[in-house]
Amino acid sequence: AQSVTQLGSHVSVSEGALVLLRCNYSSSVPPYLFWYVQYPNQGLQLLLKYTTGATLVKGINGFEAEFKKSETSFHLTKPSAHMSDAAEYFCAVSEAETSGSRLTFGEGTQLTVNP
Amino acid sequence: NAGVMQNPRHLVRRRGQEARLRCSPMKGHSHVYWYRQLPEEGLKFMVYLQKENIIDESGMPKERFSAEFPKEGPSILRIQQVVRGDSAAYFCASSPTGANYGYTFGSGTRLTVV
Repeated sequence: AQSVTQLGSHVSVSEGALVLLRCNYSSSVPPYLFWYVQYPNQGLQLLLKYTTGATLVKGINGFEAEFKKSETSFHLTKPSAHMSDAAEYFCAVSEAETSGSRLTFGEGTQLTVNP
Repeated sequence: NAGVMQNPRHLVRRRGQEARLRCSPMKGHSHVYWYRQLPEEGLKFMVYLQKENIIDESGMPKERFSAEFPKEGPSILRIQQVVRGDSAAYFCASSPTGANYGYTFGSGTRLTVV
């Protein structure tokens, strides 16, 4: 079984400040890890994903995440927040090498960016 | 190349009515997933389908809910005799080969039961 924990349901930062959204996972097999962003009344958009290879993954809109197996973490960061980053962010895990494996999502973190 | 198309975007049903939610996957995608998002919660897996087959329905409520993905046409999520607790956003996602590499999500159908 797999699960995802996102620490902090709400995170507030100032414009230009560092964004750090935390995600820890549990999985009995090597995981594939994802971050999605959801703007109000819209679907989820893939920000970035880790499957294999380099553990530091770069995504869209200046976001990146680092897979740390020893810490079972996949935290999302962005060096400088922009007002347009305000949204809800979801971390998700699936089982690697399992065709058709479902994604298991965390509860989400609402990011607020203050001017 | 159109994305995942869901319709309707908003659906209002009275208690006891049926709700039908449609999802057309991206062209070339043969795997479809349905998720439900309750207010202030994350997405919960409901069902995974391939053409004409239900692969995993472990997240579906045992009663009143059903899903299909026929050989021709969109995938349908059907909720019979809706209740207030069914009010949620229902998202469909598609993938060419499975979830391993990430889904493409539709914009969702927001169901309100009055």
